[in-house]
Amino acid sequence: DILLTQSPATLSVTPGETVSLSCRASQSIYKNLHWYQQKSHRSPRLLIKYASDSISGIPSRFTGSGSGTDYTLSINSVKPEDEGIYYCLQGYSTPTFGGGTKLEIK
Amino acid sequence: EVQLQQSGPELVKPGASMKISCKASGYSFTGYTMNWVKQSHGKNLEWIGLINPYNGGTSYNQKFKGKATLTVDKSSSTAYMELLSLTSEDSAVYYCAREGILDYWGQGTTLTVSS
Repeated sequence: DILLTQSPATLSVTPGETVSLSCRASQSIYKNLHWYQQKSHRSPRLLIKYASDSISGIPSRFTGSGSGTDYTLSINSVKPEDEGIYYCLQGYSTPTFGGGTKLEIK
Repeated sequence: EVQLQQSGPELVKPGASMKISCKASGYSFTGYTMNWVKQSHGKNLEWIGLINPYNGGTSYNQKFKGKATLTVDKSSSTAYMELLSLTSEDSAVYYCAREGILDYWGQGTTLTVSS
């Protein structure tokens, strides 16, 4: 199985900051990488598909980039409602998730 | 509006089996695969498998073969996941989610396995 490693494990930021969350794959996944946000006691929500494609209804401050094995989710000017856990998912082979990055808003 | 409505929480005894339902609405049920995901310890996510409602074809994560069985009822636009020979390791929240990109998710079903 393809291993996805997310970093950092936890990120604590103040509103207005710009943050970058990393997801690294154990082999190339050719942009078959999706990002999700999960708030406390809620289901995950799709934010970005295929590394950089936007999703209808998702604020434009969420953007994705990357290729090969390295991918990044950027959140421009973080808001308090962005607090939660962010996961990446690869669909290149048997789907696997990263371990998540917990985003805390001070 | 796309909605996936899952069945309620379950408390079952070790060794038993149980079935979770996921009723789809707001889109063509047979036009998209239905995936199932396990979330344990409030964080760790695992893909269990998928079913194609159009023809009933399935694909499973090797880890869950023999543990999960996926079926659908096209007449009611409902997908089912049966979990077999339950142990405490199966206690988790289970989600259904549409298509390979998991663009829509059910609200989750909490399963507790305990005597």
